[in-house]
Amino acid sequence: EVQLVESGGPVLQPGGSLRLSCVASGFTLSSYAMSWVRQAPGKGLEWVSTAGGRRGETYYADSVMGRFTISRDSSKNTLYLQMNSLRVEDTARYFCARLGPPSSSHFFDYWGQGTLVTVSS
Amino acid sequence: EIVLTQSPATLSLSPGERATLSCRASQSVRYSLVWYQQKPGQAPRLLTYDASNRATGIPARFSGSGSGTDFTLTISSLEPEDSAVYYCQQRDEWRWAFGQGTKVEIK
Repeated sequence: EVQLVESGGPVLQPGGSLRLSCVASGFTLSSYAMSWVRQAPGKGLEWVSTAGGRRGETYYADSVMGRFTISRDSSKNTLYLQMNSLRVEDTARYFCARLGPPSSSHFFDYWGQGTLVTVSS
Repeated sequence: EIVLTQSPATLSLSPGERATLSCRASQSVRYSLVWYQQKPGQAPRLLTYDASNRATGIPARFSGSGSGTDFTLTISSLEPEDSAVYYCQQRDEWRWAFGQGTKVEIK
């Protein structure tokens, strides 16, 4: 059974840093592209970042480019999101999601329950 | 950069009625359109992909259709548990775009 479990979201002040983790089970992380998607309170879904499959490429939304870094540790089957220079508008629930199928990575077939990140002064 | 526009914003219907949700893309891209369902306090759930295929475990009353820039999610006969927000999504090369969502309310 595929499972994704996120962690790492306390309350932070603007300008702070945080690393989110997503532990995957039931599949091999390195065989799939993986993403972070966020949802601000009461708002819609926003794609944040993707780490590609075996080639290791990374992609970012303009809103986080230069501030966030996505990475993975295959030995731990874990996906990370390093978030720096946090802003109030980064407040959201952050979901870890698997992209499928491996040949095209064009939809999110499994999602974690998300972790809430609050940035407030 | 692709923009997905969903309509209507809210749909209020009775059980047994047919729901038709629309998603329009600002341009045609090579990847197919996908639909998700999200209930309060839950993660999104994949409903349909490649325009018309249902994901595992999704009831037959949900169907996706469309091509090019105009897509539709149809719920043939609404059940009370279909109350949720529905999002369309499409990959555009190195971005994954979502529509703003349609809220379906059951009277």
